[in-house]
Amino acid sequence: DVKVTQSSRYLVKRTGEKVFLECVQDMDHENMFWYRQDPGLGLRLIYFSYDVKMKEKGDIPEGYSVSREKKERFSLILESASTNQTSMYLCASSPRRGVNEQFFGPGTRLTVL
Amino acid sequence: GIQVEQSPPDLILQEGANSTLRCNFSDSVNNLQWFHQNPWGQLINLFYIPSGTKQNGRLSATTVATERYSLLYISSSQTTDSGVYFCAVERGYNKLIFGAGTRLAVHP
Repeated sequence: DVKVTQSSRYLVKRTGEKVFLECVQDMDHENMFWYRQDPGLGLRLIYFSYDVKMKEKGDIPEGYSVSREKKERFSLILESASTNQTSMYLCASSPRRGVNEQFFGPGTRLTVL
Repeated sequence: GIQVEQSPPDLILQEGANSTLRCNFSDSVNNLQWFHQNPWGQLINLFYIPSGTKQNGRLSATTVATERYSLLYISSSQTTDSGVYFCAVERGYNKLIFGAGTRLAVHP
């Protein structure tokens, strides 16, 4: 079974802090994704990566950056957390170009105070 | 951009009942997935079904790509089926567009 893990289930941070959300997959998938989920807005793509050190902006990249130094790990970085970044963050991976069945991690519920 | 519409938005069932959830999409798509989001927030893969019909236990799905819709059937529903069901279609390279979901509550 594909397994996608995220570093924390719940996280509370202060405004202005730098926040790292980590995601690891164990199935040698090429593609990895970060989404956020908000009531009434659904799931929205923040960033994705199709290879090590490669990244592409999704629909809402502002205020976020990402890092993919190893194939299995994809990090989402909030450079200076703000209250409007309070959300549920979901990481996903998929095998490769042309085979995009996405598998999701358990999610991180981030609260920024 | 592609629009993904799910219906009904909310559904309440008694345990043992059957149901059909619908997903309409406005343009041709590469792929389509159905997910179940459990009460803890995790998205569980149900089906990867760009076309045709698949079955997995009490669940089955059918996608008619030429008519731009997909159906998810749940038979003999159980309380553990409660949660939100999402349809998502692939737009362009690797990008999924999610519908707003159908919230299902199954009562004993």
